Amino acid sequence: EAQVTQNPRYLITVTGKKLTVTCSQNMNHEYMSWYRQDPGLGLRQIYYSMNVEVTDKGDVPEGYKVSRKEKRNFPLILESPSPNQTSLYFCASSLYLAGTYEQYFGPGTRLTVT
Amino acid sequence: AQKITQTQPGMFVQEKEAVTLDCTYDTSDQSYGLFWYKQPSSGEMIFLIYQGSYDEQNATEGRYSLNFQKARKSANLVISASQLGDSAMYFCAMRLIQGAQKLVFGQGTRLTINP
Repeated sequence: EAQVTQNPRYLITVTGKKLTVTCSQNMNHEYMSWYRQDPGLGLRQIYYSMNVEVTDKGDVPEGYKVSRKEKRNFPLILESPSPNQTSLYFCASSLYLAGTYEQYFGPGTRLTVT
Repeated sequence: AQKITQTQPGMFVQEKEAVTLDCTYDTSDQSYGLFWYKQPSSGEMIFLIYQGSYDEQNATEGRYSLNFQKARKSANLVISASQLGDSAMYFCAMRLIQGAQKLVFGQGTRLTINP
């Protein structure tokens, strides 16, 4: 089954404790992206990757890091989480230059930073 | 810069009625795609429908259709014969064909279908 997986689905952590949210897709997609969803703001892009070792900032990259060492994986790293990073996070992938440009979303990770 | 505006924070509709969710967009690019996603209470993002800026026909997918009015920069989602399972948050989004590879989302509209 074609899918994007994220782990963990739920995470409660404390300020300053480094964490990683994993993202993996099994569709051989070149393009992957991270979004955060906050009430009243919709989804905003954090980082994206066009292919292995190619990453770039989205609209809200501060406080986040990413890496793309393998095509299927695109982890999101919070080196020193703060309460304003409490949010719902989505990983997405799409086949670059696909006709409909549809993005497939993971199930989401709900992060709470206290 | 691109922008998506959804002016209806919440809508309440009787079951079996048709419903229109509004979406206006702003971009100076000529080549773009417009998407609608559904987010039920379980949280996942479900792709509903896509409209390309050069598509002459309005997109349709089952009970969903997209009322695309390019001159007015609007891309309203129409759900025919609404069902209780349509209750969810709905997001309109836009992606440029060239340039930044991202979806720009609106704020969302929470749709509630009443029995």
